[in-house]
Amino acid sequence: NAGVTQTPKFQVLKTGQSMTLQCAQDMNHNSMYWYRQDPGMGLRLIYYSASEGTTDKGEVPNGYNVSRLNKREFSLRLESAAPSQTSVYFCASSEWDGRNEQFFGPGTRLTVL
Amino acid sequence: KQEVTQIPAALSVPEGENLVLNCSFTDSAIYNLQWFRQDPGKGLTSLLLIQSSQREQTSGRLNASLDKSSGRSTLYIAASQPGDSATYLCAVNTGGFKTIFGAGTRLFVKA
Repeated sequence: NAGVTQTPKFQVLKTGQSMTLQCAQDMNHNSMYWYRQDPGMGLRLIYYSASEGTTDKGEVPNGYNVSRLNKREFSLRLESAAPSQTSVYFCASSEWDGRNEQFFGPGTRLTVL
Repeated sequence: KQEVTQIPAALSVPEGENLVLNCSFTDSAIYNLQWFRQDPGKGLTSLLLIQSSQREQTSGRLNASLDKSSGRSTLYIAASQPGDSATYLCAVNTGGFKTIFGAGTRLFVKA
């Protein structure tokens, strides 16, 4: 039972390059989330997927796209990376079972030069 | 708009001390509040979740309390150990799929 996994762990991009961050969970959760964490700030929600087949914008969606590939997988795409997107990205999942406890992956450290 | 604040930003204590971490939020209409631990370079580990109808939750040496009327939650750590050194994050779910996180308290427990 791996929980929430993310790939890659580290990535360096040049401005304008694109990339996709992958996330998978094996807890059979319906809901999945992408957050970014910047120094001195709390985590901020980029996009979420309430259930398979649905996605919605969070607090900071500009410059990102997402795909809920199936119930297990939720990917985050940067089409044209900018230095302002340098951050640590976390994927999380939860289930609306009365608790909605969120479980997080190990994160992807992204640097955009 | 819900805002979550954690004070202090950093705390250093000697091993064995009991300590309290604070979390305050501006809107008492919450669904739940979750405390996380984050080690350097790692993801978030869920410690305790308190639902809106609850006043406290306990796990081992950890006890979290919730007072919605005053917009406060505390995380009590008993008999602190060097292994407790980490950043502790508080997160408030206001219903729906959006959770607001505090910036965290960085704890250092000296041996």
